[in-house]
Amino acid sequence: KAGVTQTPRYLIKTRGQQVTLSCSPISGHRSVSWYQQTPGQGLQFLFEYFSETQRNKGNFPGRFSGRQFSNSRSEMNVSTLELGDSALYLCASSLDRELTGELFFGEGSRLTVL
Amino acid sequence: TQLLEQSPQFLSIQEGENLTVYCNSSSVFSSLQWYRQEPGEGPVLLVTVVTGGEVKKLKRLTFQFGDARKDSSLHITAAQPGDTGLYLCAGPGDNTGKLIFGQGTTLQVKP
Repeated sequence: KAGVTQTPRYLIKTRGQQVTLSCSPISGHRSVSWYQQTPGQGLQFLFEYFSETQRNKGNFPGRFSGRQFSNSRSEMNVSTLELGDSALYLCASSLDRELTGELFFGEGSRLTVL
Repeated sequence: TQLLEQSPQFLSIQEGENLTVYCNSSSVFSSLQWYRQEPGEGPVLLVTVVTGGEVKKLKRLTFQFGDARKDSSLHITAAQPGDTGLYLCAGPGDNTGKLIFGQGTTLQVKP
């Protein structure tokens, strides 16, 4: 069974631009979460979607947004990029919203902002 | 705010040595998970502990959940270079749909 697929894997943007990252969860998984990973802050929760509804949001500015489609695929968007947005963005899917369940992570999208 | 603190942050050891990684919090967690992340990959779940005092073994890895469910440890016996990676503990936030992660422990096992 295919794992979580994130695209693109690598991208370079300049300050002020915007970026859209895509995540295809494991087939049958309805929950998709997004995390930002940086060396200094570790994994920081961005948001979680379940059946197209954003159920929870982390402490990130409004420049970070996301959505989930009816096929459970998810996208996140970052507008007006800042240097500090450079990070590995990880998407994780799970079968349901039970937090004792396993999160399956993709390989991430590594964003560099110049 | 629930926080998970891991120690040590970095660990560099020789093949064959034993090591323990700690994950501590002042908050009670209903369960804790341990993930391992290798360079260029996303984290992969190793184990979930749900009962205070629980001990789980995965080959040379032993995981323990504290009696009060505020801490956990990961012990690796006879470490091998293949154990190299970032070890993350994680637990569910209270009444939230998010998993809280510790800062991680970077382990390097030299041959």
